[in-house]
Amino acid sequence: ETGVTQTPRHLVMGMTNKKSLKCEQHLGHNAMYWYKQSAKKPLELMFVYNFKEQTENNSVPSRFSPECPNSSHLFLHLHTLQPEDSALYLCASSLLTSGDTGELFFGEGSRLTVL
Amino acid sequence: SQKIEQNSEALNIQEGKTATLTCNYTNYSPAYLQWYRQDPGRGPVFLLLIRENEKEKRKERLKVTFDTTLKQSLFHITASQPADSATYLCALDRSGNTGKLIFGQGTTLQVKP
Repeated sequence: ETGVTQTPRHLVMGMTNKKSLKCEQHLGHNAMYWYKQSAKKPLELMFVYNFKEQTENNSVPSRFSPECPNSSHLFLHLHTLQPEDSALYLCASSLLTSGDTGELFFGEGSRLTVL
Repeated sequence: SQKIEQNSEALNIQEGKTATLTCNYTNYSPAYLQWYRQDPGRGPVFLLLIRENEKEKRKERLKVTFDTTLKQSLFHITASQPADSATYLCALDRSGNTGKLIFGQGTTLQVKP
Protein backbone atom coordinates (compact mmCIF):
# COMPACT_ATOMS: atom_id res chain seq x y z
CA GLU A 1 0.00 0.00 0.00
CA THR A 2 1.70 3.17 -1.23
CA GLY A 3 -0.93 5.68 -0.16
CA VAL A 4 -1.81 6.39 -3.79
CA THR A 5 -4.94 4.64 -5.09
CA GLN A 6 -5.86 4.37 -8.75
CA THR A 7 -9.17 3.21 -10.22
CA PRO A 8 -10.02 1.35 -12.30
CA ARG A 9 -7.07 -1.04 -12.41
CA HIS A 10 -8.11 -2.27 -15.86
CA LEU A 11 -10.13 -0.52 -18.55
CA VAL A 12 -11.11 -1.57 -22.05
CA MET A 13 -12.69 1.05 -24.27
CA GLY A 14 -13.58 1.66 -27.86
CA MET A 15 -12.19 4.57 -29.81
CA THR A 16 -15.46 6.52 -29.55
CA ASN A 17 -15.96 6.04 -25.81
CA LYS A 18 -15.41 8.57 -23.05
CA LYS A 19 -13.97 7.31 -19.79
CA SER A 20 -12.01 8.65 -16.83
CA LEU A 21 -9.16 7.42 -14.68
CA LYS A 22 -9.13 8.41 -11.04
CA CYS A 23 -6.27 8.85 -8.60
CA GLU A 24 -6.39 9.67 -4.90
CA GLN A 25 -3.49 10.19 -2.53
CA HIS A 26 -3.64 9.96 1.28
CA LEU A 27 -0.13 11.24 1.96
CA GLY A 28 -0.71 14.96 2.36
CA HIS A 29 1.34 15.68 -0.75
CA ASN A 30 0.96 18.85 -2.78
CA ALA A 31 1.98 17.65 -6.24
CA MET A 32 0.40 14.99 -8.45
CA TYR A 33 1.48 13.49 -11.75
CA TRP A 34 0.29 11.36 -14.65
CA TYR A 35 2.83 9.12 -16.38
CA LYS A 36 2.29 6.81 -19.36
CA GLN A 37 4.18 3.52 -19.57
CA SER A 38 4.10 1.70 -22.90
CA ALA A 39 5.76 -1.62 -23.57
CA LYS A 40 9.53 -1.35 -24.11
CA LYS A 41 9.47 2.42 -23.48
CA PRO A 42 10.49 4.58 -20.52
CA LEU A 43 7.86 6.20 -18.37
CA GLU A 44 6.65 9.34 -20.12
CA LEU A 45 5.70 12.34 -18.02
CA MET A 46 2.29 13.64 -19.16
CA PHE A 47 0.96 16.17 -16.67
CA VAL A 48 2.06 17.74 -13.39
CA TYR A 49 -0.10 19.57 -10.88
CA ASN A 50 1.38 21.59 -8.03
CA PHE A 51 -1.16 22.87 -5.47
CA LYS A 52 -3.92 22.11 -8.01
CA GLU A 53 -2.24 24.26 -10.68
CA GLN A 54 -1.07 22.54 -13.83
CA THR A 55 2.65 23.15 -14.20
CA GLU A 56 3.40 20.71 -16.99
CA ASN A 57 1.71 19.51 -20.13
CA ASN A 58 4.30 17.47 -21.93
CA SER A 59 2.87 17.90 -25.45
CA VAL A 60 0.07 15.49 -24.67
CA PRO A 61 -2.72 15.19 -27.30
CA SER A 62 -5.96 16.92 -26.38
CA ARG A 63 -7.82 13.59 -26.29
CA PHE A 64 -6.26 13.32 -22.80
CA SER A 65 -7.71 15.90 -20.43
CA PRO A 66 -6.49 16.13 -16.82
CA GLU A 67 -8.43 17.53 -13.90
CA CYS A 68 -7.19 18.26 -10.39
CA PRO A 69 -10.04 19.50 -8.18
CA ASN A 70 -7.88 19.48 -5.03
CA SER A 71 -4.40 18.37 -4.01
CA SER A 72 -5.64 14.86 -3.09
CA HIS A 73 -7.48 13.94 -6.28
CA LEU A 74 -6.42 13.73 -9.90
CA PHE A 75 -8.40 12.59 -12.92
CA LEU A 76 -7.49 11.78 -16.49
CA HIS A 77 -10.44 12.12 -18.86
CA LEU A 78 -10.18 10.07 -22.02
CA HIS A 79 -12.09 10.55 -25.28
CA THR A 80 -11.69 9.39 -28.87
CA LEU A 81 -8.52 7.50 -28.05
CA GLN A 82 -6.41 5.56 -30.51
CA PRO A 83 -5.18 1.95 -30.19
CA GLU A 84 -1.63 3.27 -29.68
CA ASP A 85 -2.84 4.93 -26.48
CA SER A 86 -3.11 1.48 -24.90
CA ALA A 87 -0.66 1.51 -21.99
CA LEU A 88 -0.28 1.50 -18.24
CA TYR A 89 -1.20 4.92 -16.85
CA LEU A 90 0.51 5.68 -13.58
CA CYS A 91 -0.43 8.34 -11.09
CA ALA A 92 2.12 9.61 -8.60
CA SER A 93 2.34 12.20 -5.86
CA SER A 94 5.14 13.99 -4.05
CA LEU A 95 5.78 16.64 -1.45
CA LEU A 96 7.38 19.58 -3.17
CA THR A 97 8.83 22.19 -0.88
CA SER A 98 11.89 24.39 -1.05
CA GLY A 99 14.84 22.04 -0.93
CA ASP A 100 12.75 18.87 -1.10
CA THR A 101 13.81 16.01 -3.31
CA GLY A 102 10.68 15.28 -5.31
CA GLU A 103 10.61 11.56 -4.49
CA LEU A 104 7.54 10.09 -6.18
CA PHE A 105 5.00 7.73 -4.67
CA PHE A 106 3.23 5.78 -7.41
CA GLY A 107 -0.12 4.07 -7.56
CA GLU A 108 -0.47 0.59 -9.00
CA GLY A 109 -1.56 1.95 -12.37
CA SER A 110 -4.57 1.68 -14.65
CA ARG A 111 -4.06 -0.72 -17.55
CA LEU A 112 -5.88 0.78 -20.55
CA THR A 113 -6.71 -1.13 -23.71
CA VAL A 114 -8.20 0.77 -26.65
CA LEU A 115 -9.92 -1.39 -29.24
CA SER B 1 19.13 15.84 -27.16
CA GLN B 2 18.66 14.82 -23.55
CA LYS B 3 18.89 11.12 -22.82
CA ILE B 4 18.90 8.68 -19.94
CA GLU B 5 20.21 5.25 -20.85
CA GLN B 6 20.13 2.01 -18.95
CA ASN B 7 21.20 -1.42 -20.14
CA SER B 8 18.20 -2.64 -22.07
CA GLU B 9 19.31 -6.25 -21.89
CA ALA B 10 18.28 -8.25 -18.87
CA LEU B 11 20.92 -8.94 -16.25
CA ASN B 12 21.05 -12.54 -15.02
CA ILE B 13 23.12 -13.34 -11.94
CA GLN B 14 23.46 -16.10 -9.40
CA GLU B 15 22.06 -15.73 -5.89
CA GLY B 16 24.62 -14.30 -3.48
CA LYS B 17 26.51 -12.34 -6.14
CA THR B 18 26.57 -8.55 -6.51
CA ALA B 19 24.40 -7.05 -9.23
CA THR B 20 25.59 -3.81 -10.81
CA LEU B 21 23.26 -1.72 -12.95
CA THR B 22 24.30 1.33 -14.96
CA CYS B 23 22.55 4.60 -15.70
CA ASN B 24 24.11 7.09 -18.10
CA TYR B 25 22.72 10.47 -19.02
CA THR B 26 23.55 13.20 -21.51
CA ASN B 27 22.74 16.89 -21.68
CA TYR B 28 21.40 17.08 -18.14
CA SER B 29 22.90 18.66 -15.05
CA PRO B 30 20.77 17.02 -12.38
CA ALA B 31 20.85 18.10 -8.77
CA TYR B 32 20.09 14.50 -7.80
CA LEU B 33 19.34 11.10 -9.25
CA GLN B 34 16.86 8.53 -8.01
CA TRP B 35 16.48 4.75 -8.32
CA TYR B 36 13.17 2.89 -8.33
CA ARG B 37 12.14 -0.76 -8.39
CA GLN B 38 9.22 -1.93 -10.50
CA ASP B 39 7.61 -5.37 -10.36
CA PRO B 40 5.48 -6.62 -13.27
CA GLY B 41 2.08 -4.95 -13.40
CA ARG B 42 2.88 -2.69 -10.42
CA GLY B 43 3.87 0.94 -9.98
CA PRO B 44 7.52 1.86 -9.35
CA VAL B 45 8.71 2.04 -5.75
CA PHE B 46 11.36 4.52 -4.62
CA LEU B 47 14.62 3.02 -3.37
CA LEU B 48 17.39 5.59 -3.09
CA LEU B 49 18.29 9.16 -3.92
CA ILE B 50 21.78 10.53 -4.37
CA ARG B 51 22.62 14.20 -4.66
CA GLU B 52 25.19 15.76 -6.98
CA ASN B 53 27.57 16.48 -4.10
CA GLU B 54 27.43 12.87 -2.84
CA LYS B 55 29.72 10.23 -4.28
CA GLU B 56 28.02 7.23 -2.68
CA LYS B 57 24.85 6.34 -0.79
CA ARG B 58 24.00 3.09 1.00
CA LYS B 59 20.84 1.50 2.28
CA GLU B 60 21.04 -2.04 3.62
CA ARG B 61 22.26 -4.19 0.68
CA LEU B 62 21.89 -1.34 -1.81
CA LYS B 63 24.61 1.09 -2.86
CA VAL B 64 24.43 3.91 -5.37
CA THR B 65 27.29 5.96 -6.78
CA PHE B 66 27.03 9.18 -8.74
CA ASP B 67 29.78 10.54 -10.99
CA THR B 68 28.75 13.91 -12.42
CA THR B 69 31.90 14.07 -14.54
CA LEU B 70 31.17 10.77 -16.25
CA LYS B 71 27.42 11.54 -16.11
CA GLN B 72 26.83 8.09 -14.70
CA SER B 73 25.23 6.39 -11.72
CA LEU B 74 25.88 2.79 -10.68
CA PHE B 75 23.39 0.81 -8.60
CA HIS B 76 24.67 -2.20 -6.69
CA ILE B 77 22.77 -4.95 -4.90
CA THR B 78 25.08 -7.05 -2.74
CA ALA B 79 24.31 -10.62 -1.63
CA SER B 80 21.50 -10.69 -4.19
CA GLN B 81 18.41 -12.83 -3.61
CA PRO B 82 15.73 -14.17 -5.97
CA ALA B 83 13.34 -11.66 -4.38
CA ASP B 84 15.50 -8.88 -5.84
CA SER B 85 14.36 -9.91 -9.32
CA ALA B 86 12.58 -6.90 -10.81
CA THR B 87 13.09 -3.99 -13.18
CA TYR B 88 15.17 -1.13 -11.82
CA LEU B 89 14.65 2.40 -13.10
CA CYS B 90 16.84 5.42 -12.75
CA ALA B 91 15.35 8.89 -12.86
CA LEU B 92 16.51 12.45 -12.66
CA ASP B 93 14.82 15.78 -12.30
CA ARG B 94 14.56 17.44 -15.68
CA SER B 95 15.17 20.90 -14.28
CA GLY B 96 16.50 21.38 -10.80
CA ASN B 97 14.15 20.34 -8.00
CA THR B 98 10.76 20.42 -9.69
CA GLY B 99 9.77 16.81 -9.12
CA LYS B 100 9.40 16.43 -12.90
CA LEU B 101 11.29 13.18 -13.11
CA ILE B 102 12.50 11.74 -16.38
CA PHE B 103 13.06 7.98 -16.35
CA GLY B 104 15.37 5.56 -18.09
CA GLN B 105 13.83 2.51 -19.75
CA GLY B 106 14.92 0.27 -16.89
CA THR B 107 17.09 -2.82 -16.54
CA THR B 108 15.49 -6.14 -15.66
CA LEU B 109 17.41 -8.13 -13.08
CA GLN B 110 16.91 -11.88 -12.71
CA VAL B 111 18.54 -13.52 -9.70
CA LYS B 112 18.71 -17.30 -9.98
CA PRO B 113 18.80 -19.55 -6.93
